[in-house]
Amino acid sequence: AQSVTQLDSQVPVFEEAPVELRCNYSSSVSVYLFWYVQYPNQGLQLLLKYLSGSTLVKGINGFEAEFNKSQTSFHLRKPSVHISDTAEYFCAVRRYGKLIFGQGTELSVKP
Amino acid sequence: GAVVSQHPSWVICKSGTSVKIECRSLDFQATTMFWYRQFPKQSLMLMATSNEGSKATYEQGVEKDKFLINHASLTLSTLTVTSAHPEDSSFYICSARDGGPNSPLHFGNGTRLTVT
Repeated sequence: AQSVTQLDSQVPVFEEAPVELRCNYSSSVSVYLFWYVQYPNQGLQLLLKYLSGSTLVKGINGFEAEFNKSQTSFHLRKPSVHISDTAEYFCAVRRYGKLIFGQGTELSVKP
Repeated sequence: GAVVSQHPSWVICKSGTSVKIECRSLDFQATTMFWYRQFPKQSLMLMATSNEGSKATYEQGVEKDKFLINHASLTLSTLTVTSAHPEDSSFYICSARDGGPNSPLHFGNGTRLTVT
């Protein structure tokens, strides 16, 4: 079975600092991985996805993620965060057409 | 881009009443829709998969008679919480897909249900 683990429930960071949100997956088959962002009381917005090809994936809002098969990781990074990046971030894996989400990481950007 | 509209955005109801939540795909035909439930500070838990014209497929532990799902057209799926109780209070989110299993998922903005 496939599952997703987000290692940090909360990540506080100062504005303009770099950030990494960690995600590990477990799977015995090919994986399709996603990162979503959720602002308060809203649905989910796709940041980026890995389906195949280049292991470095660039998404919206300056985010990127790297698929690392040997470490079964798909960490999300941004070199310089803004206050507006404060939100909940979810890593997800697709299994049989369904999305299975990690527990979420609350990113809090402080001035 | 593809837009999914969810209505209402929030609702308060009394215990024992039923509440219907609508999920509409505005500019595409959604062959499949998914319903998720999210408790505060927690992840999204898949409740059921809804395919147009057929019965929904519920995840293990989700009560079919409690959470009625109807997907009568390619642009509308509804979730009805029957005989609601305070423990049903949650954030419900739908998502829609316009093609096969590898098609992108588009999410609604969610519905905050509070049962008093």
